[in-house]
Amino acid sequence: GNSVTQMEGPVTLSEEAFLTINCTYTATGYPSLFWYVQYPGEGLQLLLKATKADDKGSNKGFEATYRKETTSFHLEKGSVQVSDSAVYFCALLGPPITGNQFYFGTGTSLTVIP
Amino acid sequence: SQTIHQWPATLVQPVGSPLSLECTVEGTSNPNLYWYRQAAGRGLQLLFYSVGIGQISSEVPQNLSASRPQDRQFILSSKKLLLSDSGFYLCAWTPRANYGYTFGSGTRLTVV
Repeated sequence: GNSVTQMEGPVTLSEEAFLTINCTYTATGYPSLFWYVQYPGEGLQLLLKATKADDKGSNKGFEATYRKETTSFHLEKGSVQVSDSAVYFCALLGPPITGNQFYFGTGTSLTVIP
Repeated sequence: SQTIHQWPATLVQPVGSPLSLECTVEGTSNPNLYWYRQAAGRGLQLLFYSVGIGQISSEVPQNLSASRPQDRQFILSSKKLLLSDSGFYLCAWTPRANYGYTFGSGTRLTVV
């Protein structure tokens, strides 16, 4: 079946620290992979995506590379800011037979302190 | 441009009361529509999805139901709410595979 496993939080970092949030997946075939971000009190927003192996998605200084050999899509940022404090969700896109539903990880809460 | 509207933003309902949450999408046709629930301290759980008018797929057995009376309208309902129905409900849509979801702003439901 399809599933996503994320590192458990919460994660607390100082401003300008390096961020890694691990994400691994199980899927049939080679699904598209996504990272979503949820700021406090808001809905989810697409952060970045990758649609095939070795693709790198990037946005707002965040990056993630689709690694087929390790079935991973780890999120990284070189220097976090206080405004990056949010919950981050890794997700994979299921095949059409599932209605193209997304399978989400449980989310990782990030707090960046000044 | 495409937009998604979800309302109400917050709702406090007594146990046993009915529920109706509405989601509409503008600027597109025949979207795939989804209802997710995010319980406190937990991840996202897919409740229902719809690939067309009148077509509803349920992922989790519960006292909730969904309907799609029009192409761009998706409604989440309950006849009698339970305490365990409390959570953050998110509607989402996607035009096709690989585009990613666009989420509504969510409804925070508290059942008391």
